[in-house]
Amino acid sequence: NAGVMQNPRHLVRRRGQEARLRCSPMKGHSHVYWYRQLPEEGLKFMVYLQKENIIDESGMPKERFSAEFPKEGPSILRIQQVVRGDSAAYFCASSPPGTENYGYTFGSGTRLTVV
Amino acid sequence: SQKIEQNSEALNIQEGKTATLTCNYTNYSPAYLQWYRQDPGRGPVFLLLIRENEKEKRKERLKVTFDTTLKQSLFHITASQPADSATYLCALDRGSTLGRLYFGRGTQLTVWP
Repeated sequence: NAGVMQNPRHLVRRRGQEARLRCSPMKGHSHVYWYRQLPEEGLKFMVYLQKENIIDESGMPKERFSAEFPKEGPSILRIQQVVRGDSAAYFCASSPPGTENYGYTFGSGTRLTVV
Repeated sequence: SQKIEQNSEALNIQEGKTATLTCNYTNYSPAYLQWYRQDPGRGPVFLLLIRENEKEKRKERLKVTFDTTLKQSLFHITASQPADSATYLCALDRGSTLGRLYFGRGTQLTVWP
């Protein structure tokens, strides 16, 4: 039973390019969360999605960032026109359906470097 | 907004001793408080969750306490081993429904032989 799968593990983009980060939740999990970890900082919530629905995007920057979790396929975090400040580790987490909290399963992250 | 402070950035202890990590929070009391372990270059790994109506939770060599009056959680690792060396993160969940977690910056624990 594979855990949360994120790809790519490392991504290098030039300023102004687009970055696409993918996350496949654990089998049976229907909730997906994206977090960003800047160097020397804690994990910051970005967005919470269920299949075809954005539940909470209060942590997403208003511009250039978007996320989706389609009916089929992985969740995608898209960053358009990347800037140096977007360089960070982006982590995806998932949890099973329902409202009870049993803790979250995180992926190994995608490390984005903007040059 | 919620603020979470973990006692120190780094904690160094000798193998066999008990490591105690502190997590303090301000503003509202969370419904859940979670502890995660993070190794360099890896994602956080869930360790323990404690609910607001629970005082203590144990799992093998791990123990978590939750004091909603002090707004504090303590995380203990007994009989610590070098393999316990990692960064430990405290995270708060506001409500009974799933949603965002508020993370502390973590405490880097080093257990030396």
